[in-house]
Amino acid sequence: DTGVSQDPRHKITKRGQNVTFRCDPISEHNRLYWYRQTLGQGPEFLTYFQNEAQLEKSRLLSDRFSAERPKGSFSTLEIQRTEQGDSAMYLCASSLEYRGETQYFGPGTRLLVL
Amino acid sequence: DQQVKQNSPSLSVQEGRISILNCDYTNSMFDYFLWYKKYPAEGPTFLISISSIKDKNEDGRFTVFLNKSAKHLSLHIVPSQPGDSAVYFCAAKSGGSNYKLTFGKGTLLTVNP
Repeated sequence: DTGVSQDPRHKITKRGQNVTFRCDPISEHNRLYWYRQTLGQGPEFLTYFQNEAQLEKSRLLSDRFSAERPKGSFSTLEIQRTEQGDSAMYLCASSLEYRGETQYFGPGTRLLVL
Repeated sequence: DQQVKQNSPSLSVQEGRISILNCDYTNSMFDYFLWYKKYPAEGPTFLISISSIKDKNEDGRFTVFLNKSAKHLSLHIVPSQPGDSAVYFCAAKSGGSNYKLTFGKGTLLTVNP
């Protein structure tokens, strides 16, 4: 068990470009979450999957954001037409269904939009 | 509307002494609380949790206390070690099928040798 992994760890992009991040959860975890953290704030919930089903989305997740978990394993988070306000740390977490309270986080992807 | 509040942005303690980190919440539907530790450039690491049916949970040097009537919880670290220096986040979850965690803004703990 190597924990939750995220790729890339850092991404610099120009405004208007599309970016995609990947998250690989802990292997037996069927729940997967995306959060966003900006400077001086705690992580804020974006969306969550149980297996391949996306069950909840935050109002923070505008229509430029899309998340998938096609086979119930890894997940991708895509941001289209990036804006400077999208600059943040994007965190992925996973948990077991019957212990969904305890979420284990990956190292995050730091996005900088120029 | 901040539902989970950590009113102390920073705390400094001497090695070997007790560190007490505080957290207040406003949503009475929260029924599970967690503490995470975060080092720079890393994701949050789970430390300890407590269900609303309990008022105390211990794990080694870490103890979490929950006062439901005051909507207040605290994390005690005894004895504090320099490696404990990090940002500590309090998080809460509502009951039922809502597994979203709501986080406070964090408290930076510095343990001085």
